[in-house]
Amino acid sequence: QSALTQPASVSGSPGQSITISCTGTSSDVGNYDYVSWYQLHPGEAPKLMIFDVSNRPSGVSNRFSGSKSGNTASLTISGLQAEDEADYYCNSYTSTSTWVFGGGTKLTVL
Amino acid sequence: EVQLLESGGGLEQPGGSLRLSCVASGFTFSSYAMNWVRQAPGKGLEWVSVISGRGGTSYYADSVKGRFAISRDNSKNTVYLQMNGLRAEDTAMYYCAKAGGSYTYAYPGDFWGQGTLVTVSS
Repeated sequence: QSALTQPASVSGSPGQSITISCTGTSSDVGNYDYVSWYQLHPGEAPKLMIFDVSNRPSGVSNRFSGSKSGNTASLTISGLQAEDEADYYCNSYTSTSTWVFGGGTKLTVL
Repeated sequence: EVQLLESGGGLEQPGGSLRLSCVASGFTFSSYAMNWVRQAPGKGLEWVSVISGRGGTSYYADSVKGRFAISRDNSKNTVYLQMNGLRAEDTAMYYCAKAGGSYTYAYPGDFWGQGTLVTVSS
């Protein structure tokens, strides 16, 4: 159950687009379309942003989108806003019927 | 409105035990798997355990397997996490999270509680 690999930090200016990668293996990301993304603001509970690779829950802005290619999933945020500044975590189902998170990425809006 | 309220956290000595509870409301509890996820101070999220909607299937992270046990009482809309053999590295905020469906392979957190803090220290 090794953590998925995410960049420690990414940054962008308001209005720009950024992409956060999430790299796993053929035992998790590469073998299942069960990747989700969570947003964490300090002191708050996590918020689901994307589920099953590319689906957005009701109420989540369409500026957030997800995709997957091989063993790597990606979260793209377009039209960056100050409120998007947060930590983001990916999560994947695994071949041992468990779940694994990425190490997290801190997004800074410049 | 979906609500999840965790309780049972606190300070415990190494080797001790705690039982966390999470009371749910606002949805048909037995129709959804439930997860426990933790976040150690200054660290990232770590998935801990999942139990299916009917309670017949459960899985654990390697880091807690054999020490923690997840269970649920659908008549009380409550999921539990019995934590035995506590270690310093179990110190974390523990969140319960509603899954997106009844089975353990449903995405683990479309709604989350505010968490309960567990501190393991002598």
